[in-house]
Amino acid sequence: GENVEQHPSTLSVQEGDSAVIKCTYSDSASNYFPWYKQELGKGPQLIIDIRSNVGEKKDQRIAVTLNKTAKHFSLHITETQPEDSAVYFCAASKADKLIFGTGTRLQVFP
Amino acid sequence: KAGVTQTPRYLIKTRGQQVTLSCSPISGHRSVSWYQQTPGQGLQFLFEYFSETQRNKGNFPGRFSGRQFSNSRSEMNVSTLELGDSALYLCASTSGSTSYEQYFGPGTRLTVT
Repeated sequence: GENVEQHPSTLSVQEGDSAVIKCTYSDSASNYFPWYKQELGKGPQLIIDIRSNVGEKKDQRIAVTLNKTAKHFSLHITETQPEDSAVYFCAASKADKLIFGTGTRLQVFP
Repeated sequence: KAGVTQTPRYLIKTRGQQVTLSCSPISGHRSVSWYQQTPGQGLQFLFEYFSETQRNKGNFPGRFSGRQFSNSRSEMNVSTLELGDSALYLCASTSGSTSYEQYFGPGTRLTVT
């Protein structure tokens, strides 16, 4: 079945620096790749997504890139702020269900 | 527009008991998916309902079941609870008939003692 690997598991950055989280998926038929942010005591919040017919998508300080050939996709956060501290999950889907990565705990230090 | 709501938020049960969790999707959303989140296994897909029909099911034992009502509200049931069922159970809804753009509720924290 589909498998999604996510790295790193923890990431610490200084406020204002950039953060990059990478995911690899196994099923080449996957065509939808969302990213979720989960804060303590809350459910995952959809922050950005990309479909397989697009290589890059940007929304203010966050961007996602997709390399279908290599089956890689990445989340880029620029100008990080303390409120970006959370656990981030990537996921892959063939339109039936979401298969999640194992999560990255991002800590942004002031 | 109100988000996905889940009740109860916290639940403590004893091994062998059964439990029912409830999920109300975003107004207008017809698809509801359930996920189990644990520190060891991460986020795992349980099942998905669309128009009162279960369309997809994950790799969980038959003790885990669900249903969806005509107003799109959904319930999941776990029978004969085991210690390993302790987890955060998350419900997500989407407007279309695919898994695209799923919006999650806050979850129900189930503790089995």
